[in-house]
Amino acid sequence: GAGVSQSPSNKVTEKGKDVELRCDPISGHTALYWYRQRLGQGLEFLIYFQGNSAPDKSGLPSDRFSAERTGESVSTLTIQRTQQEDSAVYLCASSLGSRRYLGTQYFGPGTRLLVL
Amino acid sequence: DQQVKQNSPSLSVQEGRISILNCDYTNSMFDYFLWYKKYPAEGPTFLISISSIKDKNEDGRFTVFLNKSAKHLSLHIVPSQPGDSAVYFCAAKTQGGSEKLVFGKGTKLTVNP
Repeated sequence: GAGVSQSPSNKVTEKGKDVELRCDPISGHTALYWYRQRLGQGLEFLIYFQGNSAPDKSGLPSDRFSAERTGESVSTLTIQRTQQEDSAVYLCASSLGSRRYLGTQYFGPGTRLLVL
Repeated sequence: DQQVKQNSPSLSVQEGRISILNCDYTNSMFDYFLWYKKYPAEGPTFLISISSIKDKNEDGRFTVFLNKSAKHLSLHIVPSQPGDSAVYFCAAKTQGGSEKLVFGKGTKLTVNP
């Protein structure tokens, strides 16, 4: 039973470059979430996918951020034209996501992004 | 505007004693609360949760208390063990809608042998 996996584990990029972060959720989990944690801060919600429903994008900080999910599997978070303030740990989580089940979210280890 | 607040950035206790981590919230629409534990370089792991219809939930050494009138919850760990040393995050969900969690900034617990 593999947990949530994320890649890469670390990413260093130059300001202005695009980056793509990947998340593999737990098999069978229909809900997938992206959060980020900046230094000294709590986790900040970015986006939520649930099955075939329209994603909740309310946490995306700007239009430079986008995410996709193919069915109930892999998700990618893309940050275009990265800025130094994008430096953070990007965490992915998945859950069973049933409406009747409050769905404990299981987190991956995160991708540490550093924008120089 | 922080909806979930953990006002103590750090807490240090002796092994065997009780650890009490506190969390306050401002959004009265929150109806489910969770505690996560996070070790360095790892993702948060779920610890314990409580629904707003309850005021206490216990799981082994961990107990969460909810005071809805004060919009306050606390996590008690007894007895504390050195392996409990980690950052603890309080999180909350709102009724209906998205399943997104709103997190506090975390409290770093150190349990000294």
